[in-house]
Amino acid sequence: DIQMTQSPSSLSASVGDRVTITCRASQPITKYTNWYQQKPGKAPKLLIYSASNLQSGVPSRFSGSGSGTDFTLTIISLQPEDFATYYCQQSYSTPHNFGQGTKVEIK
Amino acid sequence: QVQLVQSGGEVKKPGASVKVSCKTSGYSFTAYNVHWVRQAPGQGPEWMAWINPNSGGTNYAPKFQGRVTLTRDTSITTAYMELSGLTFDDMAVYYCAKEGAGWELQHWGQGTLVTVSS
Repeated sequence: DIQMTQSPSSLSASVGDRVTITCRASQPITKYTNWYQQKPGKAPKLLIYSASNLQSGVPSRFSGSGSGTDFTLTIISLQPEDFATYYCQQSYSTPHNFGQGTKVEIK
Repeated sequence: QVQLVQSGGEVKKPGASVKVSCKTSGYSFTAYNVHWVRQAPGQGPEWMAWINPNSGGTNYAPKFQGRVTLTRDTSITTAYMELSGLTFDDMAVYYCAKEGAGWELQHWGQGTLVTVSS
């Protein structure tokens, strides 16, 4: 199985800050990393697919990059509605494992 | 618009089975795989399996192999997930999700809470 190691597990940030979350795969997965945002009591929401493609309707302050084993989700100018938990997921091979999550909290 | 609407919460005893349905609409049901993901309280999502609604072909995570069965009814554009041999560790919210073009989980159901209680 491919494991996804996400860091940090949590962070505190202020509105307007730039936030970077990283995910490392246990083996090369080309571009097959996706990023999701989850708020309490809600289903995860797709933000970025195939490493760098912005899902339709997602604000352009979200971006993704990386290939191989190292991937990054960046939020420029954090907004109040962005405080949530973020997960990466590999879809290169089954089981399509998720990272353990990064909780973004208000500083 | 794409919608996935899941069946309501279930309470089951240890050892029982549960079957969750996922009614889809707003897209061609047979054109995209449907995945199932669960999330235990306070934990991250855990991918379980997918089904190809066109062929009925399935792919199960090794952890669930032998205990989970995915099926579908194309006449009513609905996918189903049945999990047998329930234990307390199976208490979670179970989600179905429609796949996008690159295996990403593009649209999600609202989730179904499965409670295991003696």
